[in-house]
Amino acid sequence: DQQVKQNSPSLSVQEGRISILNCDYTNSMFDYFLWYKKYPAEGPTFLISISSIKDKNEDGRFTVFLNKSAKHLSLHIVPSQPGDSAVYFCAAISYNQGGKLIFGQGTELSVKP
Amino acid sequence: GAVVSQHPSWVICKSGTSVKIECRSLDFQATTMFWYRQFPKQSLMLMATSNEGSKATYEQGVEKDKFLINHASLTLSTLTVTSAHPEDSSFYICSANGQGLHEQYFGPGTRLTVT
Repeated sequence: DQQVKQNSPSLSVQEGRISILNCDYTNSMFDYFLWYKKYPAEGPTFLISISSIKDKNEDGRFTVFLNKSAKHLSLHIVPSQPGDSAVYFCAAISYNQGGKLIFGQGTELSVKP
Repeated sequence: GAVVSQHPSWVICKSGTSVKIECRSLDFQATTMFWYRQFPKQSLMLMATSNEGSKATYEQGVEKDKFLINHASLTLSTLTVTSAHPEDSSFYICSANGQGLHEQYFGPGTRLTVT
């Protein structure tokens, strides 16, 4: 059972425009949601997180929105830069369930100059 | 931010041999470390959760006798792939979080190739 889903395997955006990466989940017990950026043959790099009690968290060009009723979160990158091109993973964590991260499948973002 | 290192970054070994991968938290103490593997163009699959001073908790389908995990100190966890086979070839990544940290910090990964 895939508890965290990223239904878009890839996304292509023009430089300077907004990138919106989406993530859906099924487990209402998740405490935190996190976004990671990953380059090939490297470990994921933490980007931004949001507590389940919040609906928005912003850090520079990155904003994460959480819609608990829809069990949906999204990562907005504005403005998008070519260096943002990477695979983005959505992840969720529940402390009552061992605190382990549950990852989505990832979305490959390509930002074209 | 918190730094996690892994060693080696890549390793090639012959079928039947064992390989040890180290994961270290460099500037914080990690009460819990996690081991993942990733196949090409797939998500990260959690293999096991490692708590300092206790036995690791393995995910369903992961052979604990094949993937030995030791978390001997608050800054070091090791994963030993025993009697490696070509199908064990993968990208192994560790992560660590300390008390109060809900963000997990990942190591750079280890590429294992079994010939």
